[in-house]
Amino acid sequence: AQSVTQPDIHITVSEGASLELRCNYSYGATPYLFWYVQSPGQGLQLLLKYFSGDTLVQGIKGFEAEFKRSQSSFNLRKPSVHWSDAAEYFCAVGRSSASKIIFGSGTRLSIRP
Amino acid sequence: EAQVTQNPRYLITVTGKKLTVTCSQNMNHEYMSWYRQDPGLGLRQIYYSMNVEVTDKGDVPEGYKVSRKEKRNFPLILESPSPNQTSLYFCASSYSGVADTQYFGPGTRLTVL
Repeated sequence: AQSVTQPDIHITVSEGASLELRCNYSYGATPYLFWYVQSPGQGLQLLLKYFSGDTLVQGIKGFEAEFKRSQSSFNLRKPSVHWSDAAEYFCAVGRSSASKIIFGSGTRLSIRP
Repeated sequence: EAQVTQNPRYLITVTGKKLTVTCSQNMNHEYMSWYRQDPGLGLRQIYYSMNVEVTDKGDVPEGYKVSRKEKRNFPLILESPSPNQTSLYFCASSYSGVADTQYFGPGTRLTVL
């Protein structure tokens, strides 16, 4: 069965430090992969997505993610975090002719001043 | 302004009392979907619709109904709510499926007593 795992429930990083959020997926074919961000009290916003081609994808707000097929991973990175990046981040995988999607359980990011 | 709206934003009800959560989008999107968000579980897909009169089950459809009579509206119906349906609900829409950017509504917090 398809699944998405975000092993880190909560991460705290200092403002200006680099960030990496982990995501592992289980899927039988080439997946559609996404990262969404949810700010407190808000809906979700798409940060970036991967379907094919270059395995390093750039997104909004200075985020990037790298698809590694051999590790079934799609980790999210940012070289220098800002206090406004504090939010919950969800990795997701798309399946079944692009009509269904599975989300991970989320990683909450806190920023230390 | 392009947006997805949901009503009500907050709802407290009692077991067995039928309710409807409305969702409307003004972007002429063909794809719409409902999700529920529970702590530690991320978002789970309830139902989705690829177009008018075309709906299908997501991963957690039990206890819910949907309809898509118009392109812009996709109401979620709970005919006999139970306490285990207490959750935060999100509606989302996109041009043609999860491969496109999904735009999320602000959420509806439902409590079933």
